[in-house]
Amino acid sequence: QAGLTQPPSVSKGLSQTATLTCTGNSNDVGNQGAVWLQQHQGHPPKLLSYRNNNRPSGISERFSASRSGNTASLTIIGLQPEDEADYYCSAWDITGSWVFGGGTKLTVL
Amino acid sequence: EVHLVESGGGLVQPGGSLRLSCAASGFTFSDYWMTWVRQAPGRGLEWVASIKADDSNRFYVDSVKGRFTISRDNARNLVDLQMSSLRADDTALYYCASITMGYWGQGTLVTVSS
Repeated sequence: QAGLTQPPSVSKGLSQTATLTCTGNSNDVGNQGAVWLQQHQGHPPKLLSYRNNNRPSGISERFSASRSGNTASLTIIGLQPEDEADYYCSAWDITGSWVFGGGTKLTVL
Repeated sequence: EVHLVESGGGLVQPGGSLRLSCAASGFTFSDYWMTWVRQAPGRGLEWVASIKADDSNRFYVDSVKGRFTISRDNARNLVDLQMSSLRADDTALYYCASITMGYWGQGTLVTVSS
């Protein structure tokens, strides 16, 4: 039940593009892909993407996800102040567990 | 509209027990896996337990195996987490969720302290 690996922090300027990464293994990310969650302080997580690049209704097209092998990525284009938040990836491990990344704190400068 | 409402959190002494409950509405509860996820103060998300839609399988993080039990009642749209032998490191906000559907409750706070 080892966790997924995410960079602790990423800083980008307003209107720029941020790419957040999430590395797992063939049992989790490499198997069914990852979900991406956004969490603002004091709020529950919000689903941004599941199974690599399926966006729930209401999620901006500025958010897109992808996967290459055992690494999932979330790209946010045209960064806005409200994008400043913690971002978590998670994946179902075929051995029978959800695994989470440690989260990336995105700062919009 | 989907709602997940957790209840049952509180202050408990080490070694004590608590039962968390999550009431679901606005979706076909019996079709979906349900999961408990916790978040210790200032920390990241940690998966705790999941239960299959038809209750045919239950899964737990190693640190709670033998101490926590997840269960569900599809007739009443409820998913519970029975917690026993609680430790200080179980202190967290506990969320009920259907992760792949993006349904999350607001969480219920469990504090384990003497």
